[in-house]
Amino acid sequence: KNEVEQSPQNLTAQEGEFITINCSYSVGISALHWLQQHPGGGIVSLFMLSSGKKKHGRLIATINIQEKHSSLHITASHPRDSAVYICATRQSYTTDKLIFGTGTRLQVFP
Amino acid sequence: NAGVTQTPKFQVLKTGQSMTLQCAQDMNHEYMSWYRQDPGMGLRLIHYSVGAGITDQGEVPNGYNVSRSTTEDFPLRLLSAAPSQTSVYFCASSYTNYRNTEAFFGQGTRLTVV
Repeated sequence: KNEVEQSPQNLTAQEGEFITINCSYSVGISALHWLQQHPGGGIVSLFMLSSGKKKHGRLIATINIQEKHSSLHITASHPRDSAVYICATRQSYTTDKLIFGTGTRLQVFP
Repeated sequence: NAGVTQTPKFQVLKTGQSMTLQCAQDMNHEYMSWYRQDPGMGLRLIHYSVGAGITDQGEVPNGYNVSRSTTEDFPLRLLSAAPSQTSVYFCASSYTNYRNTEAFFGQGTRLTVV
């Protein structure tokens, strides 16, 4: 059974800081998703990756398939980045099911 | 392009009442799913569907029913609400056919059962 673990659970930062959120999983996967959830809001997909690295604006996501680990980085953090960041994995191409981590709550203070 | 539309956004039910959470997507996605989100836990899969007329149970299906009569709609029914069903519910959709695709989520329904 694939288990997805995120760290840290909670994270506070000052505006402008570089932030890293980690995700580890226990079995091989076909893809990993990074999602964002603002307080009281819906869930938005940030990245889907199966290898290497992706960048969108100030957000960077990396994945190391051999180590079963992914990181989400936020450069020059801003208070509007305050949200819960969720990692989710898809185990194989033969299933569309996602396994979710419990999320990392990020608060960025001005 | 509306994406995934989920209604209502908030709902309060009395124990024993029934209700239907609506979910619709306009992206012609084959795969649709319902999750519940509880404090300290990751999203857990309730039911899912890989296409019209096909549904299956997820991790926590008890107390919930679903149907998929069209590609666009995937309603979730609570037949007799219980306080343990107090949660935030999310509907999601994606393409399938053995490729990695982005998942799209609705805005969520915050349900309280008293």
